[in-house]
Amino acid sequence: DTGVSQNPRHKITKRGQNVTFRCDPISEHNRLYWYRQTLGQGPEFLTYFQNEAQLEKSRLLSDRFSAERPKGSFSTLEIQRTEQGDSAMYLCASSFEGDGYTFGSGTRLTVV
Amino acid sequence: DQQVKQNSPSLSVQEGRISILNCDYTNSMFDYFLWYKKYPAEGPTFLISISSIKDKNEDGRFTVFLNKSAKHLSLHIVPSQPGDSAVYFCAAADGGSQGNLIFGKGTKLSVKP
Repeated sequence: DTGVSQNPRHKITKRGQNVTFRCDPISEHNRLYWYRQTLGQGPEFLTYFQNEAQLEKSRLLSDRFSAERPKGSFSTLEIQRTEQGDSAMYLCASSFEGDGYTFGSGTRLTVV
Repeated sequence: DQQVKQNSPSLSVQEGRISILNCDYTNSMFDYFLWYKKYPAEGPTFLISISSIKDKNEDGRFTVFLNKSAKHLSLHIVPSQPGDSAVYFCAAADGGSQGNLIFGKGTKLSVKP
């Protein structure tokens, strides 16, 4: 297991299109988190799963955003009808009961 | 309103000297603090953490100090090396939040040879 894997690394999309990102956590980790980082800011929490259950969502997660973790392993984050303000680095992290909190390399989204 | 503040956007230090990065927080419910290092185009990498029951934690060249009464923590890097040049983020967690980390805006450290 080489850590938290995120795909794609980069995504350029036109405004109004839908995009989906994938995160594969460390295999024994039961918790999975999504964060967003914009230029000059630290990562901001979006949502969190414990196994397959989505337990917490930030107010940053508008109704255009949806995240799933169907089998408690990998997770997807979908953004519908993308806007230029969605351009950011989307980071995934995983942990086991809060320990070993590890981030992936992120997916950089550019909306043109 | 930012709950975790890193008031210095950048810091420049000579190789071999001490780097001191500062972080202030406002939420008294925070009970666990972490420092992350981030290179461009990579995700944050965990460096060191401290629980609110301690006031110091040391790991090799890295030491984190926590002053709960001042709601202040600092990361000391001794001696600083050019490879330490990166953006450093302070993060805090409230034990009841189950892992939602609140990050500061980061401090860009440059270590000059």
